[in-house]
Amino acid sequence: GQNIDQPTEMTATEGAIVQINCTYQTSGFNGLFWYQQHAGEAPTFLSYNVLDGLEEKGRFSSFLSRSKGYSYLLLKELQMKDSASYLCAVTDSNYQLIWGAGTKLIIKP
Amino acid sequence: GAVVSQHPSWVICKSGTSVKIECRSLDFQATTMFWYRQFPKQSLMLMATSNEGSKATYEQGVEKDKFLINHASLTLSTLTVTSAHPEDSSFYICSASQAGADYEQYFGPGTRLTVT
Repeated sequence: GQNIDQPTEMTATEGAIVQINCTYQTSGFNGLFWYQQHAGEAPTFLSYNVLDGLEEKGRFSSFLSRSKGYSYLLLKELQMKDSASYLCAVTDSNYQLIWGAGTKLIIKP
Repeated sequence: GAVVSQHPSWVICKSGTSVKIECRSLDFQATTMFWYRQFPKQSLMLMATSNEGSKATYEQGVEKDKFLINHASLTLSTLTVTSAHPEDSSFYICSASQAGADYEQYFGPGTRLTVT
């Protein structure tokens, strides 16, 4: 079966750095997405990785290792507004998006 | 660019009635649109995928006669929840992808449906 694992919840301090991990087992691979979702709102796109390595975009970076079926989202200089759920999603060989259950990130002052 | 709108943003209806939700791509042509449902504190669940001008492909367990999807143009898809019941109360989100860029989906803001 297809499976995406990410921690259910994480807590971090304002101004700090947090890394949210995602591991996947899917039928083929055509890219991995990270989305941010605030409570009661639709997801918003954060990053897309299809090749191994690190993609940096401002305070957010995303890393991919296809051989390990592993990705992480790194958030730096955390702000209170970063409190949200972070969803990892993988596109399989049929270009279907397989969603993780999301990681709820709680930022404390 | 790549803006998707949904209407209405929230709706309350009585049990047994039908509700139509619209999803529009405002500045691009959406060859494929996706409909998701999300229950509180759960991840997105794909309900169906629709390509413009053809019948939607429903995920296993989703009743096609209850959740009617129409994708009549490259900028509009509609989801009609027929004979709604309280258990249909959920957050419905659509997304759209452009031709040649099927890997990336742009999400609408979602519609909160409450059935009383």
